[in-house]
Amino acid sequence: VQLVESGGGLVQPGKSLKLSCSASGFTFSSYGMHWIRQAPGKGLDWVAYISSSSGTVYADAVKGRFTISRDNAKNTLYLQLNSLKSEDTAIYYCARGALFDYWGQGVMVTVSS
Amino acid sequence: DVVMTQTPPSLSVAIGQSVSISCKSSQSLVHSDGKTYLNWLLQNPGQSPKRLIYQVSNLGSGVPDRFSGTGSEKDFTLKISRVEAEDLGVYHCVQATHVPLTFGSGTKLEIK
Repeated sequence: VQLVESGGGLVQPGKSLKLSCSASGFTFSSYGMHWIRQAPGKGLDWVAYISSSSGTVYADAVKGRFTISRDNAKNTLYLQLNSLKSEDTAIYYCARGALFDYWGQGVMVTVSS
Repeated sequence: DVVMTQTPPSLSVAIGQSVSISCKSSQSLVHSDGKTYLNWLLQNPGQSPKRLIYQVSNLGSGVPDRFSGTGSEKDFTLKISRVEAEDLGVYHCVQATHVPLTFGSGTKLEIK
């Protein structure tokens, strides 16, 4: 099992970014997936979840700004980040399932002017 | 939101000692399906988190049996018997019973 995030970088406040999490080594379509973030020097913070049937839930802090989605044909999980704020600066991890059994290595998103 | 109170915030232990970390939730973590979705994670320095324990007491694949989890309802404990150097890092509890999912504030384990 492998999860590899990409798409991070430096972005100005108010701009957008799209993160990807490429999955391999398991039947991606059978699992719900999470995005979790960690601000520099801080704890873990749950962002969003998408079920195997593409139902979604979000943390209040990102609701209406972030969109989680998946492409089962490409074995890829996405997170569209819009209207970015400085407080969204963090390492973003994807993780598998309600049991959090596999995590990616993370991708850094820095929101700064 | 469910508040996860994790203690202590830090520990310093010698190799071979045993330690316990507590995680208390503000609500019962028993799901309507009867399961309790309380997991423990370890984040080694500079690494992404990895799962140690799921559903309170189930050892993750490849996790040494020096790790054990106990508890029910709102009170949970992670125990590490015979600490080894590779156990250093930050331990996190996370509840996945209620939305939003919430994490404890972490316990940093240092080796003396």
